[in-house]
Amino acid sequence: GAGVSQSPSNKVTEKGKDVELRCDPISGHTALYWYRQSLGQGLEFLIYFQGNSAPDKSGLPSDRFSAERTGGSVSTLTIQRTQQEDSAVYLCASRIPGRPNQPQHFGDGTRLSIL
Amino acid sequence: QKEVEQNSGPLSVPEGAIASLNCTYSDRGSQSFFWYRQYSGKSPELIMFIYSNGDKEDGRFTAQLNKASQYVSLLIRDSQPSDSATYLCAVNPRGTGNQFYFGTGTSLTVIP
Repeated sequence: GAGVSQSPSNKVTEKGKDVELRCDPISGHTALYWYRQSLGQGLEFLIYFQGNSAPDKSGLPSDRFSAERTGGSVSTLTIQRTQQEDSAVYLCASRIPGRPNQPQHFGDGTRLSIL
Repeated sequence: QKEVEQNSGPLSVPEGAIASLNCTYSDRGSQSFFWYRQYSGKSPELIMFIYSNGDKEDGRFTAQLNKASQYVSLLIRDSQPSDSATYLCAVNPRGTGNQFYFGTGTSLTVIP
């Protein structure tokens, strides 16, 4: 079956513009995660969804960042008034929760560049 | 203290040698442990998972878990240049749908 799908794969935008990043998880994966990875750095947790609710949004760096998930499937990460420090790869992962041996499956990411 | 700690490296081993990657974690109640491999410019891909004390082998890879000492390691036997990548350790604290904690990764270079 299809893996985690993210779009766009690359996004270049000017500082101050809003951007929307999309994640389509693996069918049946009710847990969904967003991470950010700056060049040469580790994964920075942003937010976790279980179904449509976000029990943990502690990683969102500022109120310019928001995320939603509808229908327990597709999720959108929105960054308002982008800044140059927002430039990074944004990774989405999905998982079947409730079972200890279930890993996260990652999409290919969206590479965001703020000019 | 970080939830998950890894030596960032870089770790260099000659081709054919054993590469040993280590990870420690702070939550004693953690149940599930995963190793991911990430090639430069690519997303992480699962290598192995382990949740019982002891060793788990899969081909050239062996994961070792010691819950009493709160560490998990990954051994790569007969290392190949294609194993050159960053290896990420991930811990699922309660084995359910909770947040995963990732280490910062260890960069491995296998020298031909």
